[in-house]
Amino acid sequence: QLQLQESGPGLVKPSETLSLTCTVSGGSISSSSYYWGWIRQPPGKGLEWIGSIYYSGSTYYNPSLKSRVTISVDTSKNQFSLKLSSVTAADTAVYYCARKITYYYDSSGYPTFDYWGQGTLVTVSS
Amino acid sequence: DIQLTQSPSFLSASVGDRVTITCRASQGISSYLAWYQQKPGKAPKLLIYAASTLQSGVPSRFSGSGSGTEFTLTISSLQPEDFATYYCQQLNSYPRFGPGTKVDIK
Repeated sequence: QLQLQESGPGLVKPSETLSLTCTVSGGSISSSSYYWGWIRQPPGKGLEWIGSIYYSGSTYYNPSLKSRVTISVDTSKNQFSLKLSSVTAADTAVYYCARKITYYYDSSGYPTFDYWGQGTLVTVSS
Repeated sequence: DIQLTQSPSFLSASVGDRVTITCRASQGISSYLAWYQQKPGKAPKLLIYAASTLQSGVPSRFSGSGSGTEFTLTISSLQPEDFATYYCQQLNSYPRFGPGTKVDIK
């Protein structure tokens, strides 16, 4: 059974860089079938996709966060990571990592996020 | 930039009720829509992808329909474990979630 686990500091100071790692177990991050992504949820609010990465290192980001986000992958450790720079209180959220799979039929591909980590709360405060 | 709206934002229902949640996209997204269920303190759980395909292991009382700009999630007979918040998500362009619909006990 595939499992994803987020790890990293739960408290980050304003203007600093938030760094999180997602460790994948029960499957290989190097599979050509999947992308891997980060999604966040401020307390009491909705979900926001941050960005996604392929095992080759190809990335794509939410345009609203692109200038501050870097996602990287370490296939040797079966991990991928998130860095979010210049954080403010507005970046306080539960951060989830997830697997993006694409189902193909009728000559079309339908992506979705099928496995999620349990989430980790990151608070931005001095 | 494709926006999603959901209605209602909040729904109060009883066990056994038929529940319908609507998700509307600001422009056509074909069938590139998924539905998730989220319970407090838990990660979202995939229910439906490609607008109408039930994820493996999800009870058949859940169903999805729609294409283009209007989509629905239906729970045919609400069970106690279904009280949660439901989100739609479009994946036609970069992934974006709807604001959510909270289903509460009447």
